[in-house]
Amino acid sequence: EVQLVQSGAEVKKPGESLKISCKGSGYSFTSYWIGWVRQMPGKGLEWMGIIYPGDSDTRYSPSFQGQVTISADKSISTAYLQWSSLKASDTAMYYCVREGGHSYGDYWGQGTLVTVSS
Amino acid sequence: DIVMTQSPDSLAVSLGERATINCKSSQSVLYSSNNKNYLAWYQQKPGQPPKLLIYWASTRESGVPDRFSGSGSGTDFTLTISSLQAEDVAVYYCQQYYSTPPLYTFGQGTKLEIK
Repeated sequence: EVQLVQSGAEVKKPGESLKISCKGSGYSFTSYWIGWVRQMPGKGLEWMGIIYPGDSDTRYSPSFQGQVTISADKSISTAYLQWSSLKASDTAMYYCVREGGHSYGDYWGQGTLVTVSS
Repeated sequence: DIVMTQSPDSLAVSLGERATINCKSSQSVLYSSNNKNYLAWYQQKPGQPPKLLIYWASTRESGVPDRFSGSGSGTDFTLTISSLQAEDVAVYYCQQYYSTPPLYTFGQGTKLEIK
């Protein structure tokens, strides 16, 4: 069974750093892209970026370039999304999603809620 | 960027009636080399991640009830629920994956409720 399991909810202060994770199982982790999607409170879905764990090819949507870093460790089938300095506006639910390469997202993680507040 | 616009923003339909959600893209998402529309539909229930319903504009994901269907081509697409059930209350999103990743874009969502 394909599963993407994300790390738990986080509460952080502005200026702090954070790295959240997404662990894949039940499929060949290096053969599919992993995307990250943001959903701000009460809002819609936004693609942030995507990584191919097989060779670490990483691409960012212009809105998120320079704001976050996406990485992966294929040895433990885990993708990451990290911030070096959080802002209150980063408060959102973040989902990872498996994507077959220029294709649709077929499996989604359960989401990680990030709350940034002083 | 390709802009996806859904209509309506919200919709109330009686149980057992048909629900129709529209999605329009700012440019064609039909790839001429394989004649496929790079368009998906997702369902998101409160407190849950999105769930894939339809891909390639009209192919139903495994396990999705056949009351859900997708149609359209080029720039205009429709998600139809033939006979609304209580469990279909959700927000529905269309998404294009035609653009070079990760410039995939979603529609703004359509909230479906029971009348």
